[in-house]
Amino acid sequence: DQQVKQNSPSLSVQEGRISILNCDYTNSMFDYFLWYKKYPAEGPTFLISISSIKDKNEDGRFTVFLNKSAKHLSLHIVPSQPGDSAVYFCAASDGGSQGNLIFGKGTKLSVKP
Amino acid sequence: NAGVTQTPKFQVLKTGQSMTLQCAQDMNHEYMSWYRQDPGMGLRLIHYSVGAGITDQGEVPNGYNVSRSTTEDFPLRLLSAAPSQTSVYFCATSRLGGNTEAFFGQGTRLTVV
Repeated sequence: DQQVKQNSPSLSVQEGRISILNCDYTNSMFDYFLWYKKYPAEGPTFLISISSIKDKNEDGRFTVFLNKSAKHLSLHIVPSQPGDSAVYFCAASDGGSQGNLIFGKGTKLSVKP
Repeated sequence: NAGVTQTPKFQVLKTGQSMTLQCAQDMNHEYMSWYRQDPGMGLRLIHYSVGAGITDQGEVPNGYNVSRSTTEDFPLRLLSAAPSQTSVYFCATSRLGGNTEAFFGQGTRLTVV
């Protein structure tokens, strides 16, 4: 049973517009959430994170929103750029000392010029 | 400062052969882990280690062995490769403490024929 779900395998957005990537989770013990970006033939790279004590975290063009009651988080990219085209993974941690991450299946974002 | 280095980048094995995927980090992180990425499956945790001499199983450990003799190295061993182990393997490191991002290597693409 998937604990972290990304229900949209792909998303296509026009350059300059907003990209919204969604993620749902089932485990209420998760208290730290991360987004990773992955280009083909490269390893995932950390993008942005949010602790469960917050509902929003912003870093430049990237903002992550967390709705704990709905067990839902989203990544907003504004404005979207062609270089943002990649696979985006949502991940969650239960905050234990091990730091194990549970990943979603990813959403492939295509930003068209 | 290389970060996380994985070798080899590509490997083809015959069914039943054994091999070791290497992972080395120069970030002085206590936590190291191995993930596999399969199409449509996201990243799944194979094994992890919270320090030298300590390893534990993740979500999909069968068919793989690990050891951690030093802080820097965390090799992943396939004792008898099977076609089901065809995948892209990623090594990751992070500080202990849970709420911290993981840093990934470039990946090893393994094909078992």
